Amino acid sequence: DAKTTQPTSMDCAEGRAANLPCNHSTISGNEYVYWYRQIHSQGPQYIIHGLKNNETNEMASLIITEDRKSSTLILPHATLRDTAVYYCIVLSSNTGKLIFGQGTTLQVKP
Amino acid sequence: GAVVSQHPSWVICKSGTSVKIECRSLDFQATTMFWYRQFPKQSLMLMATSNEGSKATYEQGVEKDKFLINHASLTLSTLTVTSAHPEDSSFYICSGQLNTEAFFGQGTRLTVV
Repeated sequence: DAKTTQPTSMDCAEGRAANLPCNHSTISGNEYVYWYRQIHSQGPQYIIHGLKNNETNEMASLIITEDRKSSTLILPHATLRDTAVYYCIVLSSNTGKLIFGQGTTLQVKP
Repeated sequence: GAVVSQHPSWVICKSGTSVKIECRSLDFQATTMFWYRQFPKQSLMLMATSNEGSKATYEQGVEKDKFLINHASLTLSTLTVTSAHPEDSSFYICSGQLNTEAFFGQGTRLTVV
């Protein structure tokens, strides 16, 4: 299963864009990159996922590099409610399992 | 998105007793569900894969006789923590798979006293 590497923590000013990086250098050609977030004491919330093209939805944008070895999650206008732990996960094409790493704790500050 | 509901949201039990946690997919059928455990300030750890109509597959180091998983229907998986001890106190989370997305329950906080 491909592993991911994320910074332990990041700060972002309210109203600014939050850019959360993720490295997944061992990703296989048919494995998707998923992003989830977890607000304290709740279950993880799906944000977005992608294979090789950039993706955008109402919550965020996902930028995947051409070699697919890294990606960036962009929250265009961070709010205080976006403070959470953000997990970048590579979905195992063999097992369908989501294996969580340590994630990035994003603190949005007023 | 699809909804996965867990019950109960929190439970306190005495050491040595068993506790059952339910995970329901409310608006879709989940042939596969996953169970996770999360200790304070740590990430989610996958415990087992629950497959409808067949035995669950457990991750390495997870005792299958202690954490009993039943997935008797396409909308319900249960996790029973048998002979619970204080070290089993944790946040237990399930997820249901729909196409390429996993939808998570709100979690169950288990405290064993």
